[in-house]
Amino acid sequence: SQKIEQNSEALNIQEGKTATLTCNYTNYSPAYLQWYRQDPGRGPVFLLLIRENEKEKRKERLKVTFDTTLKQSLFHITASQPADSATYLCALQRVTGANNLFFGTGTRLTVIP
Amino acid sequence: ETGVTQSPTHLIKTRGQQVTLRCSSQSGHNTVSWYQQALGQGPQFIFQYYREEENGRGNFPPRFSGLQFPNYSSELNVNALELDDSALYLCASSLDSGGPPREQYFGPGTRLTVT
Repeated sequence: SQKIEQNSEALNIQEGKTATLTCNYTNYSPAYLQWYRQDPGRGPVFLLLIRENEKEKRKERLKVTFDTTLKQSLFHITASQPADSATYLCALQRVTGANNLFFGTGTRLTVIP
Repeated sequence: ETGVTQSPTHLIKTRGQQVTLRCSSQSGHNTVSWYQQALGQGPQFIFQYYREEENGRGNFPPRFSGLQFPNYSSELNVNALELDDSALYLCASSLDSGGPPREQYFGPGTRLTVT
């Protein structure tokens, strides 16, 4: 079965720095990889989607890379702010079958003012 | 806000009881997925409904069942509750047009506690 690991349970970073979160997966290569943000007691909120034939995707201060050879995705938040503090989840999606997401365990990011 | 609502917000049940959780999808979304999220873990896929038919199922026993209705609402039913069923239950809606998968819009979740 698919195994998805996110680099650490918790990551602390100084305000203004770039936060880099890692998502590694095993077994089959997904067609799509998504990143979500989850605040305590709330449902995940979609941030970015990247396809297997895309190397990089950007949205404002967010950047996602997808390396199917390394079976890894990196998620970057530049110029981080305390409001970016949350848990970030990566999720894999196949192109066939049910359109469901396989989630990692998440990384809890804390941006220190 | 994602436009996806869930009820109730919190629920406490006793082992062996049955529970029904409800979700109202975003208008126009034809697909709803249900996930279980234990504390400190990522959401785990339970099942998905597409146009009122089950479209896929995760590694959950048959006592987890669901329904999807034409009015963009859906239900998750769990029979014979066990202590390990205590978790946050999330529904997520999406628009499946037969093309590439898209993002899912999650509700706030229902926190179920089984005692």
